[in-house]
Amino acid sequence: KQEVTQIPAALSVPEGENLVLNCSFTDSAIYNLQWFRQDPGKGLTSLLLIQSSQREQTSGRLNASLDKSSGRSTLYIAASQPGDSATYLCAVTSASKIIFGSGTRLSIRP
Amino acid sequence: DAGVIQSPRHEVTEMGQEVTLRCKPISGHNSLFWYRQTMMRGLELLIYFNNNVPIDDSGMPEDRFSAKMPNASFSTLKIQPSEPRDSAVYFCASSTRAVNEKLFFGSGTQLSVL
Repeated sequence: KQEVTQIPAALSVPEGENLVLNCSFTDSAIYNLQWFRQDPGKGLTSLLLIQSSQREQTSGRLNASLDKSSGRSTLYIAASQPGDSATYLCAVTSASKIIFGSGTRLSIRP
Repeated sequence: DAGVIQSPRHEVTEMGQEVTLRCKPISGHNSLFWYRQTMMRGLELLIYFNNNVPIDDSGMPEDRFSAKMPNASFSTLKIQPSEPRDSAVYFCASSTRAVNEKLFFGSGTQLSVL
C-alpha cells in the first residue's frame, strides 16, 4: 500500500531564504508526482507535475525533483516571499489512485 | 474557464439529516474525484469517476455515503443520515484523464454536522 510522508509538518524561515520541502513515498511504481499549494480555507492548486520518466520540473522560483528509486521528491523554493506562506502537499499517482501526503505548513517571516 | 465549482460553500446541519454536496467539473474534463479533508486524516479519496462511470469507490466510508455523476458536467455526493464525525471539508477535483494529468480542485464545502 502506497504511503506518502512529508517532513517537517511545519517550517518557518525568514524572507529571502531558499528552502527545500521533502516528500517520500514507499512504492516506487508511480505514474507521476504532483506538488500542490493550499491556502487557508481554500482548495488545492497544482504547482508542478513530474511524470515518472522525468527527473525535475521548474516553474518560476519553484523546482521539483523526483528520484523514484529512492522514493523521494523535493520542492525547492528560491528567494522565498511572504506570499509563499501556505501548506504544500505532494501527491503520488500509483495503481490508479492519487495519494496525498499530510503537507508541510510553510511560514515566511517578513 | 470558471474552474471546478462546488456548492454550497458551507453547510451546517443536524445529525440525522440528509446532506447533498454538488460539483461541476471543468468543461472537457472526463475524470472527477471526491476528497474529504480533516486535520486528523488529511486528504482522503472517497470516489472517482471516469467518463461518468464510478471507477473506484473503495474510499467511501460507509453505506451512508453515495455519489452520482448523471452527466459530464455534474456530480453529487450525498450523506444520509449525517453524523457529527462526517464534519470535514469535502473537495471535488477534475482532470482530463484519470491518473496522468494535473488535478484541478474546487474551493470545497465545509460541512459541520451538529
